[in-house]
Amino acid sequence: QKEVEQNSGPLSVPEGAIASLNCTYSDRGSQSFFWYRQYSGKSPELIMSIYSNGDKEDGRFTAQLNKASQYVSLLIRDSQPSDSATYLCAVNREGGGNKLTFGTGTQLKVEL
Amino acid sequence: DTAVSQTPKYLVTQMGNDKSIKCEQNLGHDTMYWYKQDSKKFLKIMFSYNNKELIINETVPNRFSPKSPDKAHLNLHINSLELGDSAVYFCASSQSINSPLHFGNGTRLTVT
Repeated sequence: QKEVEQNSGPLSVPEGAIASLNCTYSDRGSQSFFWYRQYSGKSPELIMSIYSNGDKEDGRFTAQLNKASQYVSLLIRDSQPSDSATYLCAVNREGGGNKLTFGTGTQLKVEL
Repeated sequence: DTAVSQTPKYLVTQMGNDKSIKCEQNLGHDTMYWYKQDSKKFLKIMFSYNNKELIINETVPNRFSPKSPDKAHLNLHINSLELGDSAVYFCASSQSINSPLHFGNGTRLTVT
């Protein structure tokens, strides 16, 4: 079992729709959870961080964490073509020295 | 005003050569990292330094040697390059050990 699993996609959504990206992790000791966006040929950039169960909203983005189910998701409302990118889920274990473990990413395509 | 800058952006070299990649951050962060992203876009940590001290050293061949002259710089030297070393290498920094990462623009290494 991979430490952090994501569906590779591509996930295609029409412009204006809600995109839902999912991530599961295997280490129950994980404490910090991050979503990064990576455009083709570019570096990953931080979108959201979440540390406790529940929802965290920032603009059009909402991160959801359920530690009991070892599940973290990212919702993108009113999806725009500029949201088309690969979204990387990353997980960190407390005391792990910030050894972020990344999933392989989900490619999102927002279609006009 | 690039926060995390790495050079060179592209590096093409032959097998057996020795090469270095340099990284500098002007964010005042204490922790710096090297990540490798392979052709399948999987991002994996190689090394992490906190205030010039090595804190993470993943299973990386001894041909890879990081050096941190001060907490704003983390360089990566690679000896006896092999074809399998071809990848994109990202430098990153974070304010502290458990903070989100800020990535540099990456160095695409091609070994022929």
